[in-house]
Amino acid sequence: GAVVSQHPSWVICKSGTSVKIECRSLDFQATTMFWYRQFPKQSLMLMATSNEGSKATYEQGVEKDKFLINHASLTLSTLTVTSAHPEDSSFYICSARSGGSLSYNEQFFGPGTRLTVL
Amino acid sequence: LAKTTQPISMDSYEGQEVNITCSHNNIATNDYITWYQQFPSQGPRFIIQGYKTKVTNEVASLFIPADRKSSTLSLPRVSLSDTAVYYCLVEGSSYKLIFGSGTRLLVRP
Repeated sequence: GAVVSQHPSWVICKSGTSVKIECRSLDFQATTMFWYRQFPKQSLMLMATSNEGSKATYEQGVEKDKFLINHASLTLSTLTVTSAHPEDSSFYICSARSGGSLSYNEQFFGPGTRLTVL
Repeated sequence: LAKTTQPISMDSYEGQEVNITCSHNNIATNDYITWYQQFPSQGPRFIIQGYKTKVTNEVASLFIPADRKSSTLSLPRVSLSDTAVYYCLVEGSSYKLIFGSGTRLLVRP
């Protein structure tokens, strides 16, 4: 149980276009989802916290108008990278946390989405 | 959020026990300690979580001293497939996970 999926697993786009990445909790309801970015050989960097039905909370230095997050249901959060540029190329990972019976604070991570902007 | 410090890298050989120690001097009373494993181009995978003393599951043990300012992840009899990056995190009521640099474990034949 406790599976989180991401779609797509990889995407290549042209500079200036927008890309949407989906994060789904498949077998539990996720009250909170988190979005991370990871550059090669580096650690994960938390971008934002997404709560169902409310606005996302962004970490310092993350542009909320560039990285649009929507958490419309308890099983789906989306991250849209708007007007993507080559420097946005990265590995984007989401995680989901259940507010219910799963172990305290355990978060389940998706497999990640590799974004390449040409 | 408490900052964590762990060795950048470690080498081991198949069959050995590996202990990775993490320091978290500013851990708060309600914080838990969690360890994740990450393979290249994959999301992190939960290994173990604890609050104090010792926790053991089917893959690892977690030792936490009484002052909780450090913790040690113990991997018994590692195999080549345990080569990965291991992250120690302190998680509190905000549920935010702030990843440090992690420890790159290389298991040699």
